Amino acid sequence: GQQVMQIPQYQHVQEGEDFTTYCNSSTTLSNIQWYKQRPGGHPVFLIQLVKSGEVKKQKRLTFQFGEAKKNSSLHITATQTTDVGTYFCAGLMDSSYKLIFGSGTRLLVRP
Amino acid sequence: GAVVSQHPSWVICKSGTSVKIECRSLDFQATTMFWYRQFPKQSLMLMATSNEGSKATYEQGVEKDKFLINHASLTLSTLTVTSAHPEDSSFYICSATAFNYGYTFGSGTRLTVV
Repeated sequence: GQQVMQIPQYQHVQEGEDFTTYCNSSTTLSNIQWYKQRPGGHPVFLIQLVKSGEVKKQKRLTFQFGEAKKNSSLHITATQTTDVGTYFCAGLMDSSYKLIFGSGTRLLVRP
Repeated sequence: GAVVSQHPSWVICKSGTSVKIECRSLDFQATTMFWYRQFPKQSLMLMATSNEGSKATYEQGVEKDKFLINHASLTLSTLTVTSAHPEDSSFYICSATAFNYGYTFGSGTRLTVV
């Protein structure tokens, strides 16, 4: 079946260090979205990538969509304690309207 | 931006009873609504997809008789957990979408069955 895998499962960094989470799909995606979920909260939409090789930036966050549209990454530069949470990628498969979530990466930041 | 309201935000019920969760798109008409379930420290698992006026499409392994979905209008979908048991305790989240609106998530419902 359709699978979206994400690594690492969790990462513990010192404040100021960089962080990256990777997302891989077993099938080609029409687009990929990234969400952040704080403990006890619901997923909050961060960004959507549609084009092959697309790169988007939001302040300290950089999002990339692979050339084959099967993988993506989120990179946070100089993490802050406010970055704590679980980051999910979610892929929209070609010819489908169902959003399939990756397994998530839990980020912990030591002050 | 698009807003989706989900109610209740949390509920505790006795084993064997039924619980209804509502999902409303407040400022747009949602062509499709999705229901997800999330167990602690796990990802969101898609349970079912519902379109207004038609039967919901359930993902493999999700019991349609246990998780009743009604999508009576373009702004409201409900999920009823029937004869709830402790193993149904989870975080249930709805999402709504429409052309040019992307996917908007509700704030979730934390269900605890005792």
